[in-house]
Amino acid sequence: TQLLEQSPQFLSIQEGENLTVYCNSSSVFSSLQWYRQEPGEGPVLLVTVVTGGEVKKLKRLTFQFGDARKDSSLHITAAQPGDTGLYLCAGPWYAGNNRKLIWGLGTSLAVNP
Amino acid sequence: DVKVTQSSRYLVKRTGEKVFLECVQDMDHENMFWYRQDPGLGLRLIYFSYDVKMKEKGDIPEGYSVSREKKERFSLILESASTNQTSMYLCASRKPLAGGIYEQYFGPGTRLTVT
Repeated sequence: TQLLEQSPQFLSIQEGENLTVYCNSSSVFSSLQWYRQEPGEGPVLLVTVVTGGEVKKLKRLTFQFGDARKDSSLHITAAQPGDTGLYLCAGPWYAGNNRKLIWGLGTSLAVNP
Repeated sequence: DVKVTQSSRYLVKRTGEKVFLECVQDMDHENMFWYRQDPGLGLRLIYFSYDVKMKEKGDIPEGYSVSREKKERFSLILESASTNQTSMYLCASRKPLAGGIYEQYFGPGTRLTVT
């Protein structure tokens, strides 16, 4: 069972379309992060959301943290082929004295020219 | 810019071989991690290290060991490679931000095939 569920799993759209992907959990997280992984590369951090209800914008990307801090969404406006990649959400999880990141399985986005 | 480098992008090894995957980071981060990434299973933590000579098991440590002799270098060792260890291996280092939040920096990955 995944602590962080991402949907949809796959998304293929045309350039210029808008889209939203989701990261949901039944657990409360102190923060959530979004990473983008391009084919053949490692994930790169896009944003960290910390406060319930928080909205952060990164150019055409808008990130929102749910009021209850159990979910987050990523909205892309006017998608471009350069947005193609795997979008991963991650949240901190404490196991004993150790703090690690819990990862969703990701949304694989393909933006076609 | 933070840079995390991995010794090989692609590697092909035979079953039973001992395999070394090297990772180096240049930002003096104390924490380093090894993940494997498989379709449908996502990123899974193998081992992590909070400091030199320290190591902690992650979620799937079986069949792997690690070495951290220097702060900048974290090595993953497959003692006797098996076909089920064919995967993408990602190394990461971690930088603390304000408020107990961390940012992970990943290397480009090593795609290991065990035949």
